[in-house]
Amino acid sequence: EPEVTQTPSHQVTQMGQEVILRCVPISNHLYFYWYRQILGQKVEFLVSFYNNEISEKSEIFDDQFSVERPDGSNFTLKIRSTKLEDSAMYFCASRGQGLEELFFGEGSRLTVL
Amino acid sequence: GESVGLHLPTLSVQEGDNSIINCAYSNSASDYFIWYKQESGKGPQFIIDIRSNMDKRQGQRVTVLLNKTVKHLSLQIAATQPGDSAVYFCAENIGDYNQGGKLIFGQGTELSVKP
Repeated sequence: EPEVTQTPSHQVTQMGQEVILRCVPISNHLYFYWYRQILGQKVEFLVSFYNNEISEKSEIFDDQFSVERPDGSNFTLKIRSTKLEDSAMYFCASRGQGLEELFFGEGSRLTVL
Repeated sequence: GESVGLHLPTLSVQEGDNSIINCAYSNSASDYFIWYKQESGKGPQFIIDIRSNMDKRQGQRVTVLLNKTVKHLSLQIAATQPGDSAVYFCAENIGDYNQGGKLIFGQGTELSVKP
């Protein structure tokens, strides 16, 4: 069964450092998303990406965050200068055309010290 | 504002019983709703979805009911099994789903199944 894959599974970084989280969506999907989940809390929307541009973003997704789809297969989330409150599980998701199921990856756990 | 919330944070049921997990949403313009299951340390897993032009949809052992009048969504799990133990989230789509849209998740209900 096709799946969304994410790397790294866990990253520990110092406050102020840049972090890049990587995702390989399902190959024929057109819509791409990043969500995050602080431990014990709900899943929060960060950004959606379609047709090579951001289509929606939340208040969390400020100018410290950016996304890229550099090569037609990877979808990355960059945090330029991490803060302690960025510590969370970050989920990538993708889906195909129409009202189709959103497939989530297993997540990348970010710990900011 | 936009919010999706759950009435019960935890639910404990006996194996074999039916489970009902409830969810309230606040955005009357939401057109698409999904239930997700999340096991510990894993990503959300799709269970069932429903469009706003429907009030009921059935899957294998699961049924989703949508009451737009009171903005209420429920997930019914028949013959609950230990493998159903997880946190269950409802989510509503806000925005144009054909342009990406965004799913807003509720707080989650932890379902615990006792053998």
